[in-house]
Amino acid sequence: GGIITQTPKFLIGQEGQKLTLKCQQNFNHDTMYWYRQDSGKGLRLIYYSITENDLQKGDLSEGYDASREKKSSFSLTVTSAQKNEMAVFLCASSIPKRQNTLYFGAGTRLSVL
Amino acid sequence: GDQVEQSPSALSLHEGTSSALRCNFTTTTRSVQWFRQNSRGSLINLFYLASGTKENGRLKSAFDSKELYSTLHIRDAQLEDSGTYFCAAEAMGYKLTFGTGTSLLVDP
Repeated sequence: GGIITQTPKFLIGQEGQKLTLKCQQNFNHDTMYWYRQDSGKGLRLIYYSITENDLQKGDLSEGYDASREKKSSFSLTVTSAQKNEMAVFLCASSIPKRQNTLYFGAGTRLSVL
Repeated sequence: GDQVEQSPSALSLHEGTSSALRCNFTTTTRSVQWFRQNSRGSLINLFYLASGTKENGRLKSAFDSKELYSTLHIRDAQLEDSGTYFCAAEAMGYKLTFGTGTSLLVDP
C-alpha cells in the first residue's frame, strides 16, 4: 500500500499572505489533484496534474498556483489569502488507466486571520 | 444547475436498519465513485463503478449510466458507518465532480 502525506496539517495565515501547501505520494501514481472543501459542502477541483511537469486548471483555480515538481509531489500556493477564509485543502492521486480511483491525503486546514 | 445532485443531505439511522443514498447526474457520466469521510476528515474510497453493481460487505452500489443515477445501499447499519458520504462523477477523463454529501448518523 501507499500513503499521501500533506503538510502542514494546520495552517494559519494573515490576510494577503502567500501560503504554500505540500503533498507527497508514494503510490507512484501519475495523476495528482488539489481539491478545496468548505464546511458542509462538496469538494471542488482547484488544479490537477496528469503527469510530472503537467498542470491543468480545475473549476476553482483563480487565486491559486500549483507546481508538480516531480512525480511524487504536488504543491499548491494560495497567492493572496482572503480574510476570514476557512477551508480544508485535500490532495489526491490516481492512475487514470486503472479506473482512476482516487486516494486522498488527510488534508490541510487553513484559517486566515 | 449542479452536475451531481446528492440526496438526502442528512440521514439518521438506528443501528441494524438499512437505507439508500442517491446521486442524480445531469450530464453524461462515464463512471462514479463513492467515498466516506470520517470525523477527522479522511476520505476513503468505497466503490468505483463504470456500470452495474458492486458489493462490499454491508455496502452495495449501483450505477445506471443510461438513466444517469447511482445509489449506495447500507444494510444493517453499524455505529462505525457514521460519517459523510460523497458520490463523484467522471464525465471526461481525470476530472471528478463531487456531490454535496450525505451526513449519516447511526445511533444505538
